[in-house]
Amino acid sequence: GQQLNQSPQSMFIQEGEDVSMNCTSSSIFNTWLWYKQDPGEGPVLLIALYKAGELTSNGRLTAQFGITRKDSFLNISASIPSDVGIYFCAGLQIQGAQKLVFGQGTRLTINP
Amino acid sequence: DVKVTQSSRYLVKRTGEKVFLECVQDMDHENMFWYRQDPGLGLRLIYFSYDVKMKEKGDIPEGYSVSREKKERFSLILESASTNQTSMYLCASSQNGVYSPLHFGNGTRLTVT
Repeated sequence: GQQLNQSPQSMFIQEGEDVSMNCTSSSIFNTWLWYKQDPGEGPVLLIALYKAGELTSNGRLTAQFGITRKDSFLNISASIPSDVGIYFCAGLQIQGAQKLVFGQGTRLTINP
Repeated sequence: DVKVTQSSRYLVKRTGEKVFLECVQDMDHENMFWYRQDPGLGLRLIYFSYDVKMKEKGDIPEGYSVSREKKERFSLILESASTNQTSMYLCASSQNGVYSPLHFGNGTRLTVT
């Protein structure tokens, strides 16, 4: 099946650093989403992007929907310990089906 | 808040056993999904359902089946469990709409020995 290429697969950073991750695809998506999974829990939606070029913020998180509709990035500024987890990008092609395609995930580890 | 509840957090089963993973949501959502999560592969869609008694194959349906007899409940069935089905299984639900976010359960970690 289709898959998004998410990078990096893992990051080890110091508390207070900024973080950047991205997703690319060979296909066009109508919607891009970013989810975060805390240890032992299911993924939770962080940000949803609905228009090409859209830049959206949610607190210290900023995400952009690429102008080509084939990519998206997520930035986290001034990381804190509770940012630890796995971040997933997901794309949606609206073809009468709400089937999301997920990236492989970025595992974020923060050294205090 | 939407609640998606998966009946077991951890399961250990033997090869060849029939396994049932249960999922219940309490927000009257039309759509329900089963994903499996494996390191380096992200989340892959196994099956989904848009309505009671309706089901659609996802990207990796082989070895699995599903049942949706009631709107709030979506079951994943492993007819004959195999070791390559050892994984984290995540259930999710969403409303109908142009786009409605997925709400996930906390997952069931299945080990097949």
